[in-house]
Amino acid sequence: AQSVTQLDSQVPVFEEAPVELRCNYSSSVSVYLFWYVQYPNQGLQLLLKYLSGSTLVKGINGFEAEFNKSQTSFHLRKPSVHISDTAEYFCAASQGGSEKLVFGKGTKLTVNP
Amino acid sequence: NAGVMQNPRHLVRRRGQEARLRCSPMKGHSHVYWYRQLPEEGLKFMVYLQKENIIDESGMPKERFSAEFPKEGPSILRIQQVVRGDSAAYFCASSPRDSFRETQYFGPGTRLLVL
Repeated sequence: AQSVTQLDSQVPVFEEAPVELRCNYSSSVSVYLFWYVQYPNQGLQLLLKYLSGSTLVKGINGFEAEFNKSQTSFHLRKPSVHISDTAEYFCAASQGGSEKLVFGKGTKLTVNP
Repeated sequence: NAGVMQNPRHLVRRRGQEARLRCSPMKGHSHVYWYRQLPEEGLKFMVYLQKENIIDESGMPKERFSAEFPKEGPSILRIQQVVRGDSAAYFCASSPRDSFRETQYFGPGTRLLVL
């Protein structure tokens, strides 16, 4: 069964610094990968997704992620963060033939002034 | 186009009572998913429904939990005889088609507190 690991539960950074949020998944067989953001007391909003094709995926709010099959990773990056990026970020995966998403435990990003 | 609607946003129940959580998918979406988020945990899949059909309920607890998505009206997640361990945020998501390539759009969630 597919599993998703987010190694960092909390990531504090200063405003305008670059950030990378790490995500690893367990199975590369027909895997589809997603990053969602959750602001306090709100639902999840899709940042970006990888289905096939180019391994570098660009999303909303200046975020991008790179699919690395050999390392089974899908790390999320932003070159310069803003205070408004403070939120919890979830990596998720689905596998061919199954519509359900498997989520990591989330990474809380805190951007400090 | 309104997003996924969930109500109530907050629900307080005493142990042994019933909780009913409602989800109205986005317009044009006929596929609904329910997820549960426990404190300090990621979301866990519970059930996937289409109109009048349960497609995958592999994440549903065997007892006290049920879900439906009738031909008319919202999807309902029902928890009977709630216990403190049921306290969590319950999220509904919808998609327009039954494909794992489709984006699931999430509602704001219902936060259930069992006293």
